[in-house]
Amino acid sequence: QVQLVQSGAEVKKPGASVKVSCKASGYTFLDYDVNWVRQAAGQGPEWVGWINPKDGETGYAQKFQGRVTMTRDTSITTAFMELRGLRPDDTAVYYCATLTEYDYCDHWGQGTQVTVSS
Amino acid sequence: QSVLAQPPSVSGAPGQRVTISCTGSGSNLGAQYDVHWYQQFPGTAPKLLIYRNKNRPSGVPDRFSASKSGSSASLAITGLQPEDEADYYCQSYDSTLSGHVFGTGTKVTVL
Repeated sequence: QVQLVQSGAEVKKPGASVKVSCKASGYTFLDYDVNWVRQAAGQGPEWVGWINPKDGETGYAQKFQGRVTMTRDTSITTAFMELRGLRPDDTAVYYCATLTEYDYCDHWGQGTQVTVSS
Repeated sequence: QSVLAQPPSVSGAPGQRVTISCTGSGSNLGAQYDVHWYQQFPGTAPKLLIYRNKNRPSGVPDRFSASKSGSSASLAITGLQPEDEADYYCQSYDSTLSGHVFGTGTKVTVL
């Protein structure tokens, strides 16, 4: 079965960077884009960006342009999301999800809590 | 910064029918992009409930149905069950933002 297993919770100071991993299994990693979505406490999901594992092409939400980088390592079927210049309002649960060709997310990781606090 | 508007909450007694609206604009739902729906329980990841406007993934009960017309979409739950108490989000693509957008979310309460 499809599984996306994310790295553990992180606590960072303002201005630092965080890198979250998403290990995929149960399907052909190269066949589906990986979407990254975050959700602050009590808020709805917010799209961060996507990566095509096959060629590494990425697409980022405008508000994160310049601060986020998504990469992948096909040898370990893992996608990564790095967010730099962290601010307290970046505190959220970050999810990875498989993105189908019709732009919906059909499988989700368990989420990674990122807390930004001085 | 959600561009898809949903009512904050809806409620109903067990067995009743409730509907959740999702209102977009000409750059997302009105531009004929598909709408998808997710169900989320506290502390867990969203789960795909409806894809491409009206389709249920395997395992989703048929009491969940959805439709889309113009710049709006709706999700209906008929025969409401206590286990349906959750948050529901619509999602689509927006051509102005060049990315995915989610709804503001609706909390369903079973009375």
